[in-house]
Amino acid sequence: AQSVTQLGSHVSVSEGALVLLRCNYSSSVPPYLFWYVQYPNQGLQLLLKYTSAATLVKGINGFEAEFKKSETSFHLTKPSAHMSDAAEYFCAVSRGGATNKLIFGTGTLLAVQP
Amino acid sequence: DTEVTQTPKHLVMGMTNKKSLKCEQHMGHRAMYWYKQKAKKPPELMFVYSYEKLSINESVPSRFSPECPNSSLLNLHLHALQPEDSALYLCASSQEPSGGTNEQFFGPGTRLTVL
Repeated sequence: AQSVTQLGSHVSVSEGALVLLRCNYSSSVPPYLFWYVQYPNQGLQLLLKYTSAATLVKGINGFEAEFKKSETSFHLTKPSAHMSDAAEYFCAVSRGGATNKLIFGTGTLLAVQP
Repeated sequence: DTEVTQTPKHLVMGMTNKKSLKCEQHMGHRAMYWYKQKAKKPPELMFVYSYEKLSINESVPSRFSPECPNSSLLNLHLHALQPEDSALYLCASSQEPSGGTNEQFFGPGTRLTVL
């Protein structure tokens, strides 16, 4: 069975500081991994995805994530936080195909202080 | 067009009303999904349609009735809802039902309030 753990339901950083959002997964087979962002009262937007092509994945808005199989992790980082990054972030895992469900973590709310 | 659209944006209904939520995508995706999202929680899968056929029903109460009239449209018919059904309802689509990464594209959601 697959599962996703996001450590830290709330993370607060100063504007310009490093953003690090943690995601660990468990999967019996090599998974596909995703980070989604959700702004207030909006749907989910895909930030980036890991599909086994490269372990360091670059996404939109300056975010990137590194797949580390030995640590079963897929942490999301951004070198310098911007006020507009304040949102809810969800890590998700799938084994592919519509009938293999997208399993979401519980989410991390990122606050950016001026 | 890389968008999933949902109407209406907001809906308020009484427990005896019948209403429908609509979702549309023109990306040629053959899998479509309904999710329910409560405040401060991740989306919960309700239904999956694959090639216009219902492939997953996550034991959703019958007061929610999905319909997929064609490959671009997905409806969710609502009847006799309860106040606890108030939530954000998200539609999503993905390209290939039987393979691929299951990368899903989400709509903006319908905010439903049941009085």
